[in-house]
Amino acid sequence: AQSVTQLGSHVSVSEGALVLLRCNYSSSVPPYLFWYVQYPNQGLQLLLKYTTGATLVKGINGFEAEFKKSETSFHLTKPSAHMSDAAEYFCAVSEPGGYNKLIFGAGTRLAVHP
Amino acid sequence: NAGVMQNPRHLVRRRGQEARLRCSPMKGHSHVYWYRQLPEEGLKFMVYLQKENIIDESGMPKERFSAEFPKEGPSILRIQQVVRGDSAAYFCASSPPQLSGANVLTFGAGSRLTVL
Repeated sequence: AQSVTQLGSHVSVSEGALVLLRCNYSSSVPPYLFWYVQYPNQGLQLLLKYTTGATLVKGINGFEAEFKKSETSFHLTKPSAHMSDAAEYFCAVSEPGGYNKLIFGAGTRLAVHP
Repeated sequence: NAGVMQNPRHLVRRRGQEARLRCSPMKGHSHVYWYRQLPEEGLKFMVYLQKENIIDESGMPKERFSAEFPKEGPSILRIQQVVRGDSAAYFCASSPPQLSGANVLTFGAGSRLTVL
């Protein structure tokens, strides 16, 4: 069975600092990987996804993530945090070739302070 | 092009009442997924439906919960005899009909159920 672990339920950074949100997965086959963002009282919005090809994927709002098979990781980074990045971030996996059911991690709440 | 539409956005019910949550998928999407988000937790898969078919209901509680996606009209998640533990945000997502695992789910804004 697939599972997703997000280390750190809360992360706090200063504006302009590096953002690093961690995600590790457990799967019998390399899954497809996704990062979603959720702003307060809203639905989820896709930041980026990895399916095949280049392991470093770029998403919206300056975020990127790198798939590392040997580490079963898909950490999300952004070089310089902005106040508007404060939100909850979810890592998710789906099964290649299957239907598009997503298994989510518990989420990481990012706070950005001046 | 409207996204995934969910209603009501907020619903308050007393214990023992019924809750009905509706979801209209994006235009061109024929697959619907329901997720539940409990306070301070991530999203948990509940059920996956195609038109007139339940494909995967492995995340649905065995009792009181049901879902449908009729040929015409929105998908409906129904919770009978609600209890306080049902208080949560319920999200609907939709995807195109192609099955690959790589299709992005488009999420609605959610329906927030409060049980008094």
